[in-house]
Amino acid sequence: SAVISQKPSRDICQRGTSLTIQCQVDSQVTMMFWYRQQPGQSLTLIATANQGSEATYESGFVIDKFPISRPNLTFSTLTVSNMSPEDSSIYLCSVGQQGPAFFGQGTRLTVV
Amino acid sequence: KNEVEQSPQNLTAQEGEFITINCSYSVGISALHWLQQHPGGGIVSLFMLSSGKKKHGRLIATINIQEKHSSLHITASHPRDSAVYICAVIYNTDKLIFGTGTRLQVFP
Repeated sequence: SAVISQKPSRDICQRGTSLTIQCQVDSQVTMMFWYRQQPGQSLTLIATANQGSEATYESGFVIDKFPISRPNLTFSTLTVSNMSPEDSSIYLCSVGQQGPAFFGQGTRLTVV
Repeated sequence: KNEVEQSPQNLTAQEGEFITINCSYSVGISALHWLQQHPGGGIVSLFMLSSGKKKHGRLIATINIQEKHSSLHITASHPRDSAVYICAVIYNTDKLIFGTGTRLQVFP
């Protein structure tokens, strides 16, 4: 199993600023995933981050808006850049050796 | 049509009642998650299963791969069980599709 610490748990940010969300795992994992849940919507995959390679983004998500780092097998960050109120969502990381198996607690972001 | 359908969308219950939440999916999967999302947004993984049945405390999850269906049962429900319950399926090894969730409210 893996225990994930996701920070911050919530934040309120000004539009035009950026927020970096961290996902720390207590063991080495191959794959890390970042999801977004907009108000009233299902969770949607933003990108998959594997150590040693560039993140793979899903349709509708771009690196300039959501840059991801994966410096090692236990850590990843997702940055929400140049935020607007439409970015107000819950952001969630997930990890696993072959697919998403364990989940962070989520980050509730409100952009004002 | 969503690839993962949950029912009901909303559910209210009296404390002590037995609760069932259903999840049907249309894709071939390798495993299925049940997640609990608290009112503040925090998410807890309850189960990951690929066959049969799992039990943890008052929670029971079952899956029928042939019928593409899973159920989450809560026995002796309690107000602290009030949350959104989300079914998510894993296909193509690493792709996760989430259901829209079932909002459960348990009243004392």
